[in-house]
Amino acid sequence: DTAVSQTPKYLVTQMGNDKSIKCEQNLGHDTMYWYKQDSKKFLKIMFSYNNKELIINETVPNRFSPKSPDKAHLNLHINSLELGDSAVYFCASSHPGNEKLFFGSGTQLSVL
Amino acid sequence: GQSLEQPSEVTAVEGAIVQINCTYQTSGFYGLSWYQQHDGGAPTFLSYNALDGLEETGRFSSFLSRSDSYGYLLLQELQMKDSASYFCALPSNSGYALNFGKGTSLLVTP
Repeated sequence: DTAVSQTPKYLVTQMGNDKSIKCEQNLGHDTMYWYKQDSKKFLKIMFSYNNKELIINETVPNRFSPKSPDKAHLNLHINSLELGDSAVYFCASSHPGNEKLFFGSGTQLSVL
Repeated sequence: GQSLEQPSEVTAVEGAIVQINCTYQTSGFYGLSWYQQHDGGAPTFLSYNALDGLEETGRFSSFLSRSDSYGYLLLQELQMKDSASYFCALPSNSGYALNFGKGTSLLVTP
């Protein structure tokens, strides 16, 4: 069983479109995250949720809207996609305040 | 705010020992973590230091000096499969995220 699974693995789309990435974890963790990794491999926190509540929103454009329907799921919806949104998006989970994050396999988003 | 500095690239020979340094600035300190990421893969947790000293996990060790705001990851008996990016990370001030350094790309050569 995959601990943190995110879909799709690849997403190729046109500028201006809206897309969603789904994430699920079966580790029983309360905290979930979205990270963006750019072409230079810089991993930047976007959002952090604890027990379905938004904890961190790191100066992310409001075109990005996370949603946590329950503790095991954290989805990411992106409106009006821009070229600069092209990156790998990683979902992760952990126990609250724990340094050991478990990452999903990533979603490679390419905006054309 | 926080900052983490680590070398962008390191090259070493198979079987050798390599040290990847990380210096940091943070207002409150709650521990330094290390992650490994192979090309095309996800970051995976390697180690965590909350207190000064050396933590050993097999061929990998991690060291922390809080007074120097400095840590390093030591990889021994390098293998080709150790070629990857290595990230040091600090908990954010909220404690609900990790802030990562820009990563060190390690290339192990035959």
